[in-house]
Amino acid sequence: GEDVEQSLFLSVREGDSSVINCTYTDSSSTYLYWYKQEPGAGLQLLTYIFSNMDMKQDQRLTVLLNKKDKHLSLRIADTQTGDSAIYFCAEGSLRSSNTGKLIFGQGTTLQVKP
Amino acid sequence: DGGITQSPKYLFRKEGQNVTLSCEQNLNHDAMYWYRQDPGQGLRLIYYSQIVNDFQKGDIAEGYSVSREKKESFPLTVTSAQKNPTAFYLCASSIDRLAGLAGELFFGEGSRLTVL
Repeated sequence: GEDVEQSLFLSVREGDSSVINCTYTDSSSTYLYWYKQEPGAGLQLLTYIFSNMDMKQDQRLTVLLNKKDKHLSLRIADTQTGDSAIYFCAEGSLRSSNTGKLIFGQGTTLQVKP
Repeated sequence: DGGITQSPKYLFRKEGQNVTLSCEQNLNHDAMYWYRQDPGQGLRLIYYSQIVNDFQKGDIAEGYSVSREKKESFPLTVTSAQKNPTAFYLCASSIDRLAGLAGELFFGEGSRLTVL
């Protein structure tokens, strides 16, 4: 079945780059997303990438997609304390087009140390 | 301002009681969703609704019920049949189901339910 996996925790120092990784199993994935959840709050869409792209850059965020290995990563440059949050990887495929359903990973907690 | 409002933010329930979580949106979105979040797990879809008066079961619908009598509202009832209801519940909406597929989900701030 469809599955999305992430490591649960990442700790970095302020100013360093953070790289959060995600693997997925559904080869028919059409869209891959990164959401951010701050403590006690809902999720906010950070960025997304279509499956026919390899890379997408948006200010401090860089998304890399390796379709062969079904591996997605989110790089945050010059990480700030305000970036501390849980980051969720999610995938959507044409097979779920009847539902609009996304499959979410477990979430990676990013801790930024001053 | 447009957005999604969930209430209550915190709720305590005794075993055997039904509780209803409210979700209201003024974004004029057709599609609405309920997710459950547990520590160390991803979001799991409970129910979703693509249009008024229609809803479908998600992956973990057992012990839950919903209604969609109005476009703006999608309340979730956690029944006594739900074996492990303590969790963080998130409501979301999208313009339509295709926008939901594209990841354009707008989330509420969540409701934390604790069963005593």
